[in-house]
Amino acid sequence: GDSVTQMEGPVTLSEEAFLTINCTYTATGYPSLFWYVQYPGEGLQLLLKATKADDKGSNKGFEATYRKETTSFHLEKGSVQVSDSAVYFCALVRVTSYGKLTFGQGTILTVHP
Amino acid sequence: SAVISQKPSRDICQRGTSLTIQCQVDSQVTMMFWYRQQPGQSLTLIATANQGSEATYESGFVIDKFPISRPNLTFSTLTVSNMSPEDSSIYLCSVELAGPYEQYFGPGTRLTVT
Repeated sequence: GDSVTQMEGPVTLSEEAFLTINCTYTATGYPSLFWYVQYPGEGLQLLLKATKADDKGSNKGFEATYRKETTSFHLEKGSVQVSDSAVYFCALVRVTSYGKLTFGQGTILTVHP
Repeated sequence: SAVISQKPSRDICQRGTSLTIQCQVDSQVTMMFWYRQQPGQSLTLIATANQGSEATYESGFVIDKFPISRPNLTFSTLTVSNMSPEDSSIYLCSVELAGPYEQYFGPGTRLTVT
């Protein structure tokens, strides 16, 4: 079955540090890939997406590139802020899964001033 | 995007009782989804609710425990029946918008069962 694996957390960084959160997936066919963010006490927000190989999704300074050869979709940001502190979820959906999102376990990011 | 609201935002319930969670969207959508997020865990799909048809449940979730209604294209309810402390979770609805397969989530309902 489909699965998504994220790097172990939590991740703690100082403000303006470079961020990478690793995400790899297993799925048949060509899934669409997403990053969602959950700020403390809030619901999930779609951060970015990529629907085919080599696509780069970007939003709010975050980027992720769909790498089919390595089945990866790593999230990066060049300079994190305290306000980026949240839980980040990598997810996928296949064309044939009728919209079912499969999520990774989530990575807690804490950014200190 | 759309505005998605859920009621209640949180509740504390006694074991053995039931709670109905409402999800309202400000635009018409075909597909709505219900997810569960157990404490410190990721999200797991409970069921998919399409208007005019029975909900489709994922493995491990049954209609008797989580009955779902979808009376129109902007509204759905999820009932958590005969609750136990193991049902303590955040329950989130989501809708598919823009596409393909781009889902937007409601703020969630935080349920605690004592």
